[in-house]
Amino acid sequence: ETGVTQTPRHLVMGMTNKKSLKCEQHLGHNAMYWYKQSAKKPLELMFVYSLEERVENNSVPSRFSPECPNSSHLFLHLHTLQPEDSALYLCASSPMTSGNEQFFGPGTRLTVL
Amino acid sequence: QQQVKQSPQSLIVQKGGISIINCAYENTAFDYFPWYQQFPGKGPALLIAIRPDVSEKKEGRFTISFNKSAKQFSLHIMDSQPGDSATYFCAASNTGGTSYGKLTFGQGTILTVHP
Repeated sequence: ETGVTQTPRHLVMGMTNKKSLKCEQHLGHNAMYWYKQSAKKPLELMFVYSLEERVENNSVPSRFSPECPNSSHLFLHLHTLQPEDSALYLCASSPMTSGNEQFFGPGTRLTVL
Repeated sequence: QQQVKQSPQSLIVQKGGISIINCAYENTAFDYFPWYQQFPGKGPALLIAIRPDVSEKKEGRFTISFNKSAKQFSLHIMDSQPGDSATYFCAASNTGGTSYGKLTFGQGTILTVHP
């Protein structure tokens, strides 16, 4: 595997379910990001981890809970979501030397029923 | 002040033509301006980026023009090809002070290049 991988690629869940999204980067980067991409809206930065420490949380509802166990893995735990949370969730990573050169995974298409 | 406004929302160009996408920003602290390209089913990929110390950067058929006084920057795709059909996002960031990025993205432009 190379680059940034995300699993699952597609997820359908009910409002009472608990699920997790997984991201893995094989680039040796030190920062990882979760973004939400909704139709006709800019990409929204949700969380940033730098050296496994959460450094940004952009007013994201508590039903989204990130976890970064090591510099290669990032999770987004989902609980009691709403239909408006349906979107493409993108993971990205960047090297310590250039945080703005972000490499994105293919995303998880989430549908909340 | 954190917004980046991108236009047009969609663009149709004939093969061989020039595609132009524009972005405007308000935050004068922004000092890094990348463009990302996204194909269906894929994540965005960095295409080209510019810093405000230059007014133009060219990589192959892709050129960024930057106007610091107007707080605007644009992407020009010369000799547009059907394979360029994708969604393009501009972004901006203030790179000072942190080892991670905080990109503010535009709304995206869906480019269709007809053969």
